Amino acid sequence: ETGVTQSPTHLIKTRGQQVTLRCSSQSGHNTVSWYQQALGQGPQFIFQYYREEENGRGNFPPRFSGLQFPNYSSELNVNALELDDSALYLCASSLAVQGHRYTFGSGTRLTVV
Amino acid sequence: AQTVTQSQPEMSVQEAETVTLSCTYDTSESDYYLFWYKQPPSRQMILVIRQEAYKQQNATENRFSVNFQKAAKSFSLKISDSQLGDAAMYFCANSGGSNYKLTFGKGTLLTVNP
Repeated sequence: ETGVTQSPTHLIKTRGQQVTLRCSSQSGHNTVSWYQQALGQGPQFIFQYYREEENGRGNFPPRFSGLQFPNYSSELNVNALELDDSALYLCASSLAVQGHRYTFGSGTRLTVV
Repeated sequence: AQTVTQSQPEMSVQEAETVTLSCTYDTSESDYYLFWYKQPPSRQMILVIRQEAYKQQNATENRFSVNFQKAAKSFSLKISDSQLGDAAMYFCANSGGSNYKLTFGKGTLLTVNP
């Protein structure tokens, strides 16, 4: 089975720009969650998608948005980038009925300058 | 609300020795799960061990075991026979409820000395 794949691995953007990060979930998984990990911190939950609908959201502003596609892959979009958005963005997939079993990708390192 | 606290920013251990990483948590959920994840420089979060809160028996995975004290809301990780490859950032995490959100601690950086 394939694991979770994230792209790109690294990205540099200018403040005010928009960015799209992508995640392909593990084969057979139908739920995708996104996390932001600032340097030296634990990951913070952004939101989760299940059956193409947002299913829970953390304390992030509306300029953080997402999508889930019929094949369960997902996108994270961030508008009006700020310097504090610089972080590692992790995607995790799971199968809802399996109860809290997550597989993580290797993340996208976003740097905002 | 869920919180996870790791009070040890850094720990070190000699190769082949045993080390224990501490974690305390708080949750309003009655049905919840606890995890230890390892994050090496490759950045990927790797599941080390998973504990279902309703199970009284402590989870074990080869050299890794936990001491789950539900009343004290404590969930420590013991690594036996430490190996150089165990060196990494270790995160304690908690999830519960229907939205499967993981709440992480700030992590403990484990160094293994040869």
